[in-house]
Amino acid sequence: EPEVTQTPSHQVTQMGQEVILRCVPISNHLYFYWYRQILGQKVEFLVSFYNNEISEKSEIFDDQFSVERPDGSNFTLKIRSTKLEDSAMYFCASSELNYGYTFGSGTRLTVV
Amino acid sequence: AQSVTQLDSQVPVFEEAPVELRCNYSSSVSVYLFWYVQYPNQGLQLLLKYLSGSTLVKGINGFEAEFNKSQTSFHLRKPSVHISDTAEYFCAVSGAGGGNKLTFGTGTQLKVEL
Repeated sequence: EPEVTQTPSHQVTQMGQEVILRCVPISNHLYFYWYRQILGQKVEFLVSFYNNEISEKSEIFDDQFSVERPDGSNFTLKIRSTKLEDSAMYFCASSELNYGYTFGSGTRLTVV
Repeated sequence: AQSVTQLDSQVPVFEEAPVELRCNYSSSVSVYLFWYVQYPNQGLQLLLKYLSGSTLVKGINGFEAEFNKSQTSFHLRKPSVHISDTAEYFCAVSGAGGGNKLTFGTGTQLKVEL
């Protein structure tokens, strides 16, 4: 069964540093998403991406964040100048035109 | 915009007993509804989904849910739980159609005891 692949599984970074979280969505999917789950809390939507542009973003997704699809397979989330409160599990997902949400296994980001 | 309410933050239950995890949603448009399970330190696994058609949806691991439009509910049930069902369960909603974000509830911790 096709999978959404996320790398790395765990990343530790120092406060103020930039991180890039990587995702390889399912190849025939058209929509791509990033979600965040702070430890012990619910999963929160960050951003959706379609046709090489952001289609929707939440209030969490401010200028500190950016997304990119640099080639035909990867989908990245960049977090600039990381803060302690950015520590969370970040999930990538992709979906088909009508439905077909598939989540990756997540990247645990720890900011120290 | 959609919202999801999971009123029960924790549900303890004995093994082999039935369980119901409650989920209510709010939306001004037609919706798709989902239940996800998350085991400790793992990702999100889809249990079942309602897109259209029959309001009773069967999923993996013996779980089922019923979509009730009049009560705006999508409660998850299992007739007999196992220790291995101990996990966090999230209800989620999206607008019907492709490309819509998922809005998650706060989750229900199901703890199955011997």
